[in-house]
Amino acid sequence: GQNIDQPTEMTATEGAIVQINCTYQTSGFNGLFWYQQHAGEAPTFLSYNVLDGLEEKGRFSSFLSRSKGYSYLLLKELQMKDSASYLCAGLDSNYQLIWGAGTKLIIKP
Amino acid sequence: GAVVSQHPSWVICKSGTSVKIECRSLDFQATTMFWYRQFPKQSLMLMATSNEGSKATYEQGVEKDKFLINHASLTLSTLTVTSAHPEDSSFYICSAKAAGEVNEQFFGPGTRLTVL
Repeated sequence: GQNIDQPTEMTATEGAIVQINCTYQTSGFNGLFWYQQHAGEAPTFLSYNVLDGLEEKGRFSSFLSRSKGYSYLLLKELQMKDSASYLCAGLDSNYQLIWGAGTKLIIKP
Repeated sequence: GAVVSQHPSWVICKSGTSVKIECRSLDFQATTMFWYRQFPKQSLMLMATSNEGSKATYEQGVEKDKFLINHASLTLSTLTVTSAHPEDSSFYICSAKAAGEVNEQFFGPGTRLTVL
């Protein structure tokens, strides 16, 4: 079956760095997405990885290892506004998104 | 960037009534639109995939007669929740994929449905 695993909740301190891990099993693989979702809002796109390695975009970076079925989202210089759920989603061979349950990130001052 | 709108943003209705939710791609043509449902503290659940001009493909467990999807144009898809019940109360989100764009989906802001 297809499955996306990520931690349910994480807590970090303002100004610090946090890494949110995601492991995936999909039927075929056409990339891995990370989305940010604030409570009561729709997801917003953060990153897309289809090749191994690290993609950096400002304070956010995303890493992919296809051989390990593993990705992480790295958030630097955390701000209070980064408190949200972070959704990992794999794109399978049918180009359908398989969603993780999301990681709720709590930022403390 | 690509913008997707949804209307209404939130709706409250009585049990047994039908509710229509619109999803529009504002600055691109969406050959494929997706409808998701999200219950509190849970992930997005794909309900159906619709391609312009053809019937929607529903995910297992989603009643096609209860959740009517129409994708009549390249910029508009509608989801009608027929004979809504309190258990249908949820956050409904649409996303759209542009013609020629294989991977990325653009999400609408979502519609909060509360059935009394």
